[in-house]
Formats: sequence, C-alpha cells, structure tokens
Amino acid sequence: EAGVAQSPRYKIIEKRQSVAFWCNPISGHATLYWYQQILGQGPKLLIQFQNNGVVDDSQLPKDRFSAERLKGVDSTLKIQPAKLEDSAVYLCASSLPGGTQGTQYFGPGTRLTVL
Amino acid sequence: GENVEQHPSTLSVQEGDSAVIKCTYSDSASNYFPWYKQELGKGPQLIIDIRSNVGEKKDQRIAVTLNKTAKHFSLHITETQPEDSAVYFCAASTEGQNFVFGPGTRLSVLP
Repeated sequence: EAGVAQSPRYKIIEKRQSVAFWCNPISGHATLYWYQQILGQGPKLLIQFQNNGVVDDSQLPKDRFSAERLKGVDSTLKIQPAKLEDSAVYLCASSLPGGTQGTQYFGPGTRLTVL
Repeated sequence: GENVEQHPSTLSVQEGDSAVIKCTYSDSASNYFPWYKQELGKGPQLIIDIRSNVGEKKDQRIAVTLNKTAKHFSLHITETQPEDSAVYFCAASTEGQNFVFGPGTRLSVLP
C-alpha cells in the first residue's frame, strides 16, 4: 500500500512570498490532516478534512493560510504572505473515517524555510 | 482546549534496559491516545494506541497504560535496542478529532 505523498520535500522562500504544498493521501482515506511542526516541538493541527468538508480549522491562521481538498482526495495548503515564524515542517496525514478509529498515517513532510 | 504535557524531554538508557515516557492531558472528553515515533527527516509513525475504555495495551516490547481518573498515560519500552532511538510523541484526541500532541521525548539507547 502506497503511503501519504507530499511535495515538495524542501522549499526556501523569502518573507512576504507565497508558497503551496501538495498532499496525496492513502487511497480510500477520507480524512486528511495538515500539521505544522516547528523544530523541537510536537505537531500542531492546522486543519482536518472529512472528504472535501472542513471538520476543524480552529488553529489555522486564516489571514495567511488556506487549504482546500477538491474532490475529496488531494489537498493543497497555501501560505500567503509567508512570515519568518512560518519556518517549519508541514506534515500531511490521512486516516479512515469513523470516530475513534482514525489511526493517522503521516507523510514525510515539507520543510519550509522563510528567509 | 486540550493541553498535553510530556516528560521527560530527553531520556538516555542502556541497551536492554526499559524506558518509560509519561503524558498528562487536561480534557476529560479525550478518548483516544496514540503514541508516535519520529525518526530524523521522517513523519511520525504510529507505534501503539489506547482508547479510553481500556486500561492497558501491549504489543511485543511496547506497552501503554491509561489512568483516566488521573488523566495520564504512559509508554513503556522493554529490552530497548539502538533502533529504538528516536523522538516519541504522545497525543490526545476526542472522537478522532482535535488531535493535540505533546512536545516530544528524545530517547537515546546507548550500546
């Protein structure tokens, strides 16, 4: 079974520029998550999708971050404009739906450096 | 909202010894508690999880215990091996949503 795919793996941009990350979840996984992991910290949930609907985006900085999941499969996370404090690894995860049955499978992440 | 604390932040053990990592959570509604292992340059990988209707779960050298009354859960690794060296994260969730992770424990297994 193929795992969660993310691209790019690395991205370097200057502050105030825009950036987008792509995630392809495991086939059949209806739930998709985006996390931000700052160096030395645990992952922080940004947004959770169930199919193409948003379940939780309470910690997404909506003034600069946006995410979409068209057709309930692939997803993109965008930052516009980027700030220095956005430097982090952005992790995508997917799981089967169903209350507490949602074991998450993580992708390798995209490491973003904002200069 | 939920708050998850994790201790210790770093842990060094001799190969073959046991390692214990402890987490506490604040939201009594949390009912799912996974543990993840993260190696350098990789995403977290689930190693074991426990649900609120169970007090203990074991999978070979790894076990997790949950005390709902005290709101804490622990990861136990026995007979540690060098390949167990990694960063370990606990997390808490309510009904498969609102996942909150602890800050992590860096485990080093010394040969």
